[in-house]
Parts: sequence; C-alpha cells; structure tokens
Amino acid sequence: AQRVTQPEKLLSVFKGAPVELKCNYSYSGSPELFWYVQYSRQRLQLLLRHISRESIKGFTADLNKGETSFHLKKPFAQEEDSAMYYCALSERDTGRRALTFGSGTRLQVQP
Amino acid sequence: EPEVTQTPSHQVTQMGQEVILRCVPISNHLYFYWYRQILGQKVEFLVSFYNNEISEKSEIFDDQFSVERPDGSNFTLKIRSTKLEDSAMYFCASSGFLGQGSDGYTFGSGTRLTVV
Repeated sequence: AQRVTQPEKLLSVFKGAPVELKCNYSYSGSPELFWYVQYSRQRLQLLLRHISRESIKGFTADLNKGETSFHLKKPFAQEEDSAMYYCALSERDTGRRALTFGSGTRLQVQP
Repeated sequence: EPEVTQTPSHQVTQMGQEVILRCVPISNHLYFYWYRQILGQKVEFLVSFYNNEISEKSEIFDDQFSVERPDGSNFTLKIRSTKLEDSAMYFCASSGFLGQGSDGYTFGSGTRLTVV
C-alpha cells in the first residue's frame, strides 16, 4: 500500500530564510504527487502538482524517484507562508483518484 | 472563483443517531469525494463518486456510511448510526477532468462532526 511521510510536525524559520518541507513516499507504481496548503481557518488548497512543474507563490517541488521524495522548497520565506502543508499521493498508473495524505507539517515564519 | 460548499460547519449528534453531511460541489465537476480528519491525525480518503455511483471506497467506508447525489447539485454523506470514533472533520471535494490520473481537487471548508 502507498504511504506518505512528512517527518516534521513543525518547522519554524525566520522571515527571509530558506524553507524545505520534506515529503517521502512509498509506492511501487507510478505516483502523482501534490502539495496542499491550509491557512488558518481556511480550506485545503492545491499548491503544486508535480506534473505541472510550476512555481506557485515562490514554492517549487521536484519529484525525485530515486530518493522517493517530493520536498517543497522556497528560497525566502514570508510571514504569510505560515500554514499547514500536506503532501499527498495518487496512483497515476492505475487511474485511482483517492489521495493518500501525509500527516502534515506546520510552517511558522517568524518576523 | 468557484467553491465547494459544505453545511453545516459544525454538527453535534448523540451516539447512535443518523447524521447527514451536505456538500455542493463545483457545478461542472464530474468526481466527488469525502475525506475525514480525526483530530491530530491524517486526512483520510473515504469514498469517491462518479456517474451516480461509488467509484472507489476505503476500508473506513463500511456499511454505516452511504453517499448520494439526490439532485443535480447536492452530494451527501450519511452516517447511519454514529459512534464516538466518528467524531472528525469531514471534507467534501470535487474534481473535473476525465481520464487517467488525478487533477487537483477543490476542497470544501469541512464539517466538524462531534458525537457525544
């Protein structure tokens, strides 16, 4: 069965510092990876999909199949980036649409 | 921007009672989903619904759960006889594209269910 691991429950950085939120996955087939963000008292929002290879709000994430990782990075954190971040996986090869989520990392950006 | 709407935002129910959680997905979306998050735990998949039938379900989605799209707009999750362990945040979501692979979902803001 697939699994998504986010090893850090909390990541605290200062404004302007680089950020890396870690995500590792376990899946024997071809995965599709996502990052979702949940700002305080708001809904889960899609931040990135690995197949689109885009940068949203300065965040990027690269799928590393050798290391089975999909870490989320931003070179200079902003206070408004403070939120809960969830990594998620779906089975791209089977067409199943269910998402498997990691446990989430709370990012705190201090002034 | 279109939104997925969930009602109520918070529901308290007694153990053993039936509860219906309601969702209005985005109008031109084709796939509808329910997820739940027990406090302090991961977001977990419950069920997906396409073309008026369940397309996938998890082990959590047992006989006490059912989903329905009673009209062209609403998508409901019914829990037949609630248990204390059903207390969680329930998220509805919808997505649009047909074909292989998942697109990004649009999630609702959730219904917090408290079973007492």
